[in-house]
Amino acid sequence: GENVEQHPSTLSVQEGDSAVIKCTYSDSASNYFPWYKQELGKGPQLIIDIRSNVGEKKDQRIAVTLNKTAKHFSLHITETQPEDSAVYFCAASKGGTYKYIFGTGTRLKVLA
Amino acid sequence: DSGVTQTPKHLITATGQRVTLRCSPRSGDLSVYWYQQSLDQGLQFLIQYYNGEERAKGNILERFSAQQFPDLHSELNLSSLELGDSALYFCASTPVQGNTEAFFGQGTRLTVV
Repeated sequence: GENVEQHPSTLSVQEGDSAVIKCTYSDSASNYFPWYKQELGKGPQLIIDIRSNVGEKKDQRIAVTLNKTAKHFSLHITETQPEDSAVYFCAASKGGTYKYIFGTGTRLKVLA
Repeated sequence: DSGVTQTPKHLITATGQRVTLRCSPRSGDLSVYWYQQSLDQGLQFLIQYYNGEERAKGNILERFSAQQFPDLHSELNLSSLELGDSALYFCASTPVQGNTEAFFGQGTRLTVV
């Protein structure tokens, strides 16, 4: 069935360092890959997304890369700040359905 | 503020009881999704509605049901509650097209005692 694996489950980095979170999806028909940030007591919020016709997308300190052949996509956060501390979820979906399959989440801690 | 409203924010109930969670999607969004998030778990897809019709179903228990009303708000009904049903329940909505950013509500925290 459809599945998204996410690693690592927890990640601690020093403030200013980079953080990388990786996801692998199973359904080769998936064509939309969003990343969500969930802060304590809040609902997930989109931080960046990428579609299958693009290999990389950047928004300030955040970037996402997609390797369709390997069915991998990754989130890169540079110059991390304490406010980046949260749980991050990757997801995959495909056209024609409205279902989003989420990864299991990565708890990122940025140490000051 | 995502524009998606969920009520109530917190709910404490006893095993065996039945509860209803409510979701109002963003203005103009026709599609509503329900997700369950257990402690330290990911977001498990339960069910999705589009303009009043069920469109996709995940691992939703038979004790759970949902519907979307003509005014597009949605309700998730959980019955014969068990301790293991304690979780955060999120509603999300998307515009007509789907396969685009989903906007999540703040969630309803259900505690079954």
